[in-house]
Amino acid sequence: ILNVEQSPQSLHVQEGDSTNFTCSFPSSNFYALHWYRWETAKSPEALFVMTLNGDEKKKGRISATLNTKEGYSYLYIKGSQPEDSATYLCAFSSGGYQKVTFGTGTKLQVIP
Amino acid sequence: GAGVSQSPRYKVAKRGQDVALRCDPISGHVSLFWYQQALGQGPEFLTYFQNEAQLDKSGLPSDRFFAERPEGSVSTLKIQRTQQEDSAVYLCASSIRRDRSYNEQFFGPGTRLTVL
Repeated sequence: ILNVEQSPQSLHVQEGDSTNFTCSFPSSNFYALHWYRWETAKSPEALFVMTLNGDEKKKGRISATLNTKEGYSYLYIKGSQPEDSATYLCAFSSGGYQKVTFGTGTKLQVIP
Repeated sequence: GAGVSQSPRYKVAKRGQDVALRCDPISGHVSLFWYQQALGQGPEFLTYFQNEAQLDKSGLPSDRFFAERPEGSVSTLKIQRTQQEDSAVYLCASSIRRDRSYNEQFFGPGTRLTVL
């Protein structure tokens, strides 16, 4: 059984604050690490997929880093806005197969 | 349509009732996945199709769960004799590629099933 853990479980920040979350995953048989954003009543939306140790990806105010040797990824949000309020899920793929294992998510609430 | 659609969006079933949940993937997407998300948990893999072939059903929790994709496009997840522990959000996702595990999965909005 693959263990993908995310912390914190939930987070409240003030508008304008920067924040970050952690995803830890098995460091063996790594293939890819995905980040998704899931807003209430909408479909989960892919933010990033990372495959190489040291990868850094950025999309607007959101960025992510990957360390496959120690088995963790960070997601950063700079200058949080109320529209960033959502659950952020990471998902891990191992081997050459498409099945992903999700973490339990970090629920972010940005207070105006 | 532009994205993955699922119907119904909400379903309330009495314990023991059979339910069928539908997924319309993005046209041309080869791969289709079903996930179950219980309250407070992350989505958990149920089953995977490549075209019409069900290649992995290891995540189906019991033989009351059955999925099909007979023509390689629309998929139906059927749950027989529903139990309260089946209450969850059921997510469907599709992706275009066959054999790469890091391709993007596009998700539908989910069906929230409540079993009374």
